[in-house]
Amino acid sequence: DTEVTQTPKHLVMGMTNKKSLKCEQHMGHRAMYWYKQKAKKPPELMFVYSYEKLSINESVPSRFSPECPNSSLLNLHLHALQPEDSALYLCASSQEPGLNTDTQYFGPGTRLTVL
Amino acid sequence: AQSVAQPEDQVNVAEGNPLTVKCTYSVSGNPYLFWYVQYPNRGLQFLLKYITGDNLVKGSYGFEAEFNKSQTSFHLKKPSALVSDSALYFCAVRGDTGRRALTFGSGTRLQVQP
Repeated sequence: DTEVTQTPKHLVMGMTNKKSLKCEQHMGHRAMYWYKQKAKKPPELMFVYSYEKLSINESVPSRFSPECPNSSLLNLHLHALQPEDSALYLCASSQEPGLNTDTQYFGPGTRLTVL
Repeated sequence: AQSVAQPEDQVNVAEGNPLTVKCTYSVSGNPYLFWYVQYPNRGLQFLLKYITGDNLVKGSYGFEAEFNKSQTSFHLKKPSALVSDSALYFCAVRGDTGRRALTFGSGTRLQVQP
């Protein structure tokens, strides 16, 4: 089973709203990732959690706030977003973040629209 | 710095014909190479990866990829294309030194015509 689930599938929010994206995996993976993907572009890495600790922040604006409550869950809290933040937000997980051979498995994504 | 080039924005092939999606890479140390496929409004699905050993790697849905160290390439292939293979394909690389995160190519749209 290589399933990563994400909720919601679609989200529309205003620039003053606060919302959260949720990601879950039950594969026992020890690394979880947030990516942002614009149409017809490759995914851009935002954050990496390794063993429930934030290990990479790719200089993401503070209006995006990640949280890893436990090894199976990853949240992305959104506040005061801009219309240019509209994108597909992908979550991924992988088994052993320290291994070169580590494979990332992606969820279906949340399509975010900021009005 | 590591990088991936997918030189073709789009590849068109007729159903039943062989397909090739090209990928070249640049990385410090040994390369670890991955192919993913993305269907419209979906996440990326892992197809296959090269770690070491046999230069021909077999993956999901009948896809395979050939690693060529001298040409720094990792082209994705399939002997007989299906209409359902039409999707966006991403090549990605990680080196064993320097940046450890995956670096993705720009993507190639595969269109298989009936």
